[in-house]
Amino acid sequence: EAGVAQSPRYKIIEKRQSVAFWCNPISGHATLYWYQQILGQGPKLLIQFQNNGVVDDSQLPKDRFSAERLKGVDSTLKIQPAKLEDSAVYLCASTQDSPNTEAFFGQGTRLTVV
Amino acid sequence: AQSVAQPEDQVNVAEGNPLTVKCTYSVSGNPYLFWYVQYPNRGLQFLLKYITGDNLVKGSYGFEAEFNKSQTSFHLKKPSALVSDSALYFCAVRDGGTGGFKTIFGAGTRLFVKA
Repeated sequence: EAGVAQSPRYKIIEKRQSVAFWCNPISGHATLYWYQQILGQGPKLLIQFQNNGVVDDSQLPKDRFSAERLKGVDSTLKIQPAKLEDSAVYLCASTQDSPNTEAFFGQGTRLTVV
Repeated sequence: AQSVAQPEDQVNVAEGNPLTVKCTYSVSGNPYLFWYVQYPNRGLQFLLKYITGDNLVKGSYGFEAEFNKSQTSFHLKKPSALVSDSALYFCAVRDGGTGGFKTIFGAGTRLFVKA
């Protein structure tokens, strides 16, 4: 089966610019996650979707970050305006609709804000 | 609130020796525990999980992990390390009692296996 697809792989932007990341989960996976992984740290959950509804966005900086999953399949994460501290790898993951299943991760998007 | 701790930033081991990467967790309900590995410039790959049943679970690439409820630990182990095992390892926990399938990751432990 195809894995989790993310694009772009790399992005360099200047601070205060905007950027968007795209994720296509594994077919049939109802749950989709966006994680932020700063260099040297573990992944930090930004937002979790169940189908097209938000389950948890408590760690999402909502003044600058937004995410949507309109049709319950692919998702976009946007940052506007970007700050230097947003430089990180943004990982998308998906799981089946069951709490005991593992997550499948995409390769991530490495964002550098200069 | 659920949390997970990996007390060691780095573990060094010689090839052929056994390895252990430590993980402790905190959840209010029943824990679902996972180990993932990350190679450079790659996403996370699933290694193994504990849901219920035997405390010793076996996973990919010869890795296993031991669930200890009294110590709230889920240490990753391998009897004989390989140089190719060198990577970043993450422990993760999901609270089976709250639903929502929220998964929290530890900070990671870098494993170096020396030839």
